[in-house]
Amino acid sequence: DTGVSQDPRHKITKRGQNVTFRCDPISEHNRLYWYRQTLGQGPEFLTYFQNEAQLEKSRLLSDRFSAERPKGSFSTLEIQRTEQGDSAMYLCASSLAGAEAFFGQGTRLTVV
Amino acid sequence: AQSVSQHNHHVILSEAASLELGCNYSYGGTVNLFWYVQYPGQHLQLLLKYFSGDPLVKGIKGFEAEFIKSKFSFNLRKPSVQWSDTAEYFCAVVSNYGQNFVFGPGTRLSVLP
Repeated sequence: DTGVSQDPRHKITKRGQNVTFRCDPISEHNRLYWYRQTLGQGPEFLTYFQNEAQLEKSRLLSDRFSAERPKGSFSTLEIQRTEQGDSAMYLCASSLAGAEAFFGQGTRLTVV
Repeated sequence: AQSVSQHNHHVILSEAASLELGCNYSYGGTVNLFWYVQYPGQHLQLLLKYFSGDPLVKGIKGFEAEFIKSKFSFNLRKPSVQWSDTAEYFCAVVSNYGQNFVFGPGTRLSVLP
């Protein structure tokens, strides 16, 4: 049990549909990160929050992607008009400022 | 932009062999350094971390890493690997400029029984 929970674990969607993923961080952690990982690659940074503020977004995060962290607790990542290239494992992590990150199990997205 | 490179894509060792996995990063300022491990079908887990102080850090399961600032390196070592060490290993860096974790591409370790 990592303490970081992600839901769903797997999602299969048709191209063009919207999908939303949820992440529940470790409760006392003020930082929350989203990463994307494809087979044989390291995690690629997407965005991160400190409390409810979204402080940094990667160029990878196109305008079809949006993330929120209302009230500085759980976070959602939405992908609109999904494309086959969006198929990947989406990882959420949380940390205290300046400390190591703890990762969830990830949500595996398959776009068909 | 920060980047992290890992020297080996796939390493194959026999049990009891010694392990060294290379990691280099590009950022010249103050950094925090990490090694994460991902066992098959599992989430990323922290092996060890360096923030400051003694550049030789010890982690879980007998792993250690040495920070060499002049070489921008943070290599991972283990004197004697076990079959259960078969996994993917990722080096990561956080600088005092950017606050996100930048990961290397990973090294897949296969340990033969």
